[in-house]
Amino acid sequence: DGGITQSPKYLFRKEGQNVTLSCEQNLNHDAMYWYRQDPGQGLRLIYYSQIVNDFQKGDIAEGYSVSREKKESFPLTVTSAQKNPTAFYLCASRVAGGPGEQYFGPGTRLTVT
Amino acid sequence: AQSVTQLGSHVSVSEGALVLLRCNYSSSVPPYLFWYVQYPNQGLQLLLKYTTGATLVKGINGFEAEFKKSETSFHLTKPSAHMSDAAEYFCAVSVTWDSNYQLIWGAGTKLIIKP
Repeated sequence: DGGITQSPKYLFRKEGQNVTLSCEQNLNHDAMYWYRQDPGQGLRLIYYSQIVNDFQKGDIAEGYSVSREKKESFPLTVTSAQKNPTAFYLCASRVAGGPGEQYFGPGTRLTVT
Repeated sequence: AQSVTQLGSHVSVSEGALVLLRCNYSSSVPPYLFWYVQYPNQGLQLLLKYTTGATLVKGINGFEAEFKKSETSFHLTKPSAHMSDAAEYFCAVSVTWDSNYQLIWGAGTKLIIKP
């Protein structure tokens, strides 16, 4: 079955540690996205990538980093510079062209204490 | 700049009653519009989309939405609510920048179903 996988589902870290969230897709989509979701705030775009080896900052990129070495993979690193990292993180992908609908993974809930 | 407004962060309806979730958008060009549903601790699932053509769009789980250009609205409806419809619903509009499409999101509406 084609889809997007995110692992792990739940992640716990101590403050001051970097942590990497995994996102893999087998939909052969070109574009991939990372969103952060906090209660009552909808979705906020962190980073996006339209093609391998290229990515752009979204609205809230500070304290995050990404890489896109393979079409299928778009890992997100939450660094110690992110002041409030506890949140639900969603990865999405989109086929090139078309009206722009995105397909989402199941999400990773990160808790930093 | 494009934006999406969802009226009501929470909407409560009785089981069997009509569901109406409101979405208004601003866009300088003809929009592509989407509704997504999110169940607790899960990702978002596409419910339906409007691109071109028929303004009444049918989606999954018995939902439909009507694009009204004159009102810049894309409200989501379902004739009879089920308990399983309890979830958060997001409206989004597609915009282009960097020669590519991005989605502008509404803040979401939590649908509560009363037995």
